[in-house]
Amino acid sequence: AQSVAQPEDQVNVAEGNPLTVKCTYSVSGNPYLFWYVQYPNRGLQFLLKYITGDNLVKGSYGFEAEFNKSQTSFHLKKPSALVSDSALFFCAVSPITGGGNKLTFGTGTQLKVEL
Amino acid sequence: GAVVSQHPSRVICKSGTSVKIECRSLDFQATTMFWYRQFPKQSLMLMATSNEGSKATYEQGVEKDKFLINHASLTLSTLTVTSAHPEDSSFYICSADPGAETQYFGPGTRLLVL
Repeated sequence: AQSVAQPEDQVNVAEGNPLTVKCTYSVSGNPYLFWYVQYPNRGLQFLLKYITGDNLVKGSYGFEAEFNKSQTSFHLKKPSALVSDSALFFCAVSPITGGGNKLTFGTGTQLKVEL
Repeated sequence: GAVVSQHPSRVICKSGTSVKIECRSLDFQATTMFWYRQFPKQSLMLMATSNEGSKATYEQGVEKDKFLINHASLTLSTLTVTSAHPEDSSFYICSADPGAETQYFGPGTRLLVL
């Protein structure tokens, strides 16, 4: 069985500071890893994914994530946070079996960026 | 690209009635669509996997006779909540997979059963 852990319910950051949202995973074999963002009363927007290759993945809105196989982590980062980045972030994992894969989501981390 | 729509965005219905929610992939074909339910301040719970032209696969604990799923074409899946009750009130989100490992999500449907 696969699982995802997001250890922080909320992360508070001052605008202009770097931010990190943590994610660790457990899956048999090699995983597909994803980050999604959700704004209030909206669906999820795809940010980025790791499939294979370079461990540092760049995504939308200046976000990036680093895949660390030894630590089974896929932390989301951004060098300089904006107030508009405030949202709910979900990490997700699926097994590598082609299309139509089930995603397992973490519990979500609320990011709050303040002036 | 990769836009998924849901209709309606919100619906209020009386207890005992049925509600249909549509999920459409607007600019791609999706062999597989997924239906999720999200409770306030919680993560997404997968309800079922919908494959075009075949029966949906329901997750454990999800009543297939209550949550009817139809995936009639490569761009449309519907979720019908039959005989809705207040405990069915929730945020329902669909996603579509164009076969490129990534699911793209709809904007969600807020259901309130009175």
